[in-house]
Amino acid sequence: QQPVQSPQAVILREGEDAVINCSSSKALYSVHWYRQKHGEAPVFLMILLKGGEQKGHDKISASFNEKKQQSSLYLTASQLSYSGTYFCGTFDRGSTLGRLYFGRGTQLTVWP
Amino acid sequence: NAGVTQTPKFRVLKTGQSMTLLCAQDMNHEYMYWYRQDPGMGLRLIHYSVGEGTTAKGEVPDGYNVSRLKKQNFLLGLESAAPSQTSVYFCASRGSGGPVEQFFGPGTRLTVL
Repeated sequence: QQPVQSPQAVILREGEDAVINCSSSKALYSVHWYRQKHGEAPVFLMILLKGGEQKGHDKISASFNEKKQQSSLYLTASQLSYSGTYFCGTFDRGSTLGRLYFGRGTQLTVWP
Repeated sequence: NAGVTQTPKFRVLKTGQSMTLLCAQDMNHEYMYWYRQDPGMGLRLIHYSVGEGTTAKGEVPDGYNVSRLKKQNFLLGLESAAPSQTSVYFCASRGSGGPVEQFFGPGTRLTVL
């Protein structure tokens, strides 16, 4: 039930764009995105609920395609501060007791 | 508000020793979680709790026990530590009422020799 993230790693120059994908084999109710910097705890970015509404956080936005059971995170005009590991967490419809399933993460490195 | 705190931050154990990791939250959250994080494996759920006095197993519960005697505290115990339990442990909590943000503690880095 662990979602699959792709790519595993991305290397960018400052100002470039990136897309991180998250897909699940289960019908999803919501998708959660977190960012973790080296040596720190994961930090919440956004939640997308079923319905496909796109959310935004600064120049980071995301979409959720409920039918395809997929979500994508869009990082626009990347900044050095975007470097870190991005995790998606999925909350499937069949899930009881409110547990998230996290993907293995996508490591994003932004160079000046 | 301190949010989610974890004690200790670092610990080195010898194989066979026992220890307890403490997680505390001051946000009156119902749900609490213990994860372990290993390189390339993401966050794997060990145990979780949906309220005071309740606990449930996650994906990797073997070798760990938990207790939630008070709503604000969630304890993770290792009865007989093994080198395979060398990891970074994160505690998290969230409120009730549907899919909402999980708040993570700063983590505990545990090394078992």
